[in-house]
Amino acid sequence: QVQLVQSGAEVKKPGSSVKVSCKASGGTFSSYTISWVRQAPGQGLEWMGRIIPILGIANYAQKFQGRVTITADKSTSTAYMELSSLRSEDTAVYYCARDSPQGAFDIWGQGTMVTVSS
Amino acid sequence: SYVLTQPPSVSVAPGQTARITCGGNNIGSKSVHWYQQKPGQAPVLVVYDDSDRPSGIPERFSGSNSGNTATLTISRVEAGDEADYYCQVWDSSSDRVFGGGTKLTVL
Repeated sequence: QVQLVQSGAEVKKPGSSVKVSCKASGGTFSSYTISWVRQAPGQGLEWMGRIIPILGIANYAQKFQGRVTITADKSTSTAYMELSSLRSEDTAVYYCARDSPQGAFDIWGQGTMVTVSS
Repeated sequence: SYVLTQPPSVSVAPGQTARITCGGNNIGSKSVHWYQQKPGQAPVLVVYDDSDRPSGIPERFSGSNSGNTATLTISRVEAGDEADYYCQVWDSSSDRVFGGGTKLTVL
C-alpha cells in the first residue's frame, strides 16, 4: 500500500523560501506522477504543479510559474516542492498527492502547514 | 482558464439523498473526480472518471456527468458524510482544476 509522508510544519518570513518534502513508501516511486496541492485557511484546493520522477519533468500551474520548483530524488523516493518569494497569502496547508492513471489524486500526504509571518 | 462552479453549501436530513453539482463548460466531455475532505484531514478520492468508486468507498456514493453539469450523489446520507466535497477535472489549458467546494451539512 502506497503511503506519502510529508515533512513537518514550517514558519517562514516574507520574502524567504520553503522546501517541503514528500516521501513515498510502497509501490514503485519512479512510476508515479506526484502533484502538489495547497489549501489556504478556510479556502478550497489549488493545484500547483507535478513531477514525473522517472523522467524528471515538472509542470507548473501558470499562477506559480517562476516561484515554484518541484523536484524528485528517485534514490530516496522523495519529492520536493520549493516555493520562493513567500508572502502572507502563501500561508496554507501544502499536500502532495499521487496522480492515478485516470488523472485523479488517489493517495494524499498528510499535509504540511506553512505559515508566512513577519 | 477553465472554471468549475459548485454550490457553497448543501443540506440534507439523515437517510435522504444529497446531490452536489459541479458546473463547467461542456464538462460532459471531461472525466470528473470527486473528493471528500473532513476538517483537519487530507482529501479522500470518493469518485473518479465520473462514476467509478475506489475500493473502500461505499456504494452510496455515485456520480454522473453530462452536458455542462456533473453530479455527486450520496444516498442514505449519514452523519459521517458531513464534509466538504470538491470536484476536479483535467483541462488542456488549465491542467488540473478544482471546483470551489461544497459544504455538506447533515441536519
